[in-house]
Amino acid sequence: EPEVTQTPSHQVTQMGQEVILRCVPISNHLYFYWYRQILGQKVEFLVSFYNNEISEKSEIFDDQFSVERPDGSNFTLKIRSTKLEDSAMYFCASSDGTESGEQYFGPGTRLTVT
Amino acid sequence: AQSVTQLDSQVPVFEEAPVELRCNYSSSVSVYLFWYVQYPNQGLQLLLKYLSGSTLVKSINGFEAEFNKSQTSFHLRKPSVHISDTAEYFCAVSEGIMAGGFKTIFGAGTRLFVKA
Repeated sequence: EPEVTQTPSHQVTQMGQEVILRCVPISNHLYFYWYRQILGQKVEFLVSFYNNEISEKSEIFDDQFSVERPDGSNFTLKIRSTKLEDSAMYFCASSDGTESGEQYFGPGTRLTVT
Repeated sequence: AQSVTQLDSQVPVFEEAPVELRCNYSSSVSVYLFWYVQYPNQGLQLLLKYLSGSTLVKSINGFEAEFNKSQTSFHLRKPSVHISDTAEYFCAVSEGIMAGGFKTIFGAGTRLFVKA
């Protein structure tokens, strides 16, 4: 069964450094998303991406964040200058655009900012 | 905007006992509802979903949820839990995005702790 994959599974970085989280969505999907889960809290929507542009972003997704689909398979989330509060689990998701909006989530990348 | 309320942050229960995890959502014309399970240190797994049709939906491991439009609820139930069901359970709803597609709005989660 096709699945969303994410790399790395765990990333440790120092405050102020740039990080890139990578995702490979399901191949025939058209919509791509990033979500964040701070430890012990709920999963929060960050951004959605469709037709090579951001279709919606949350208040969390400030100028430090950016997304890109550099080729036909990868979808990346970049944090330019990480802060301690960026430490979280980051989930990538994709969907094929069916009416229900059912999304398929990747296993997540745990980002630790020290 | 959609919202999801999970009324219980933690639910301790003994093995083989029944359990209900409660979920309420804000009203909408069309609603698509999901339950996700997150085992310790793992990602999100779709447990079951309501898209349309029968209001009672079931998972392969014995969980079921019933969509109740009048009460705007989507409670998750299992008649007999196992130790291995210990996990965090998230209720979620799809919300349309004006530019196309949907985003998933999650509840705060309920930690199910099954005791021997």
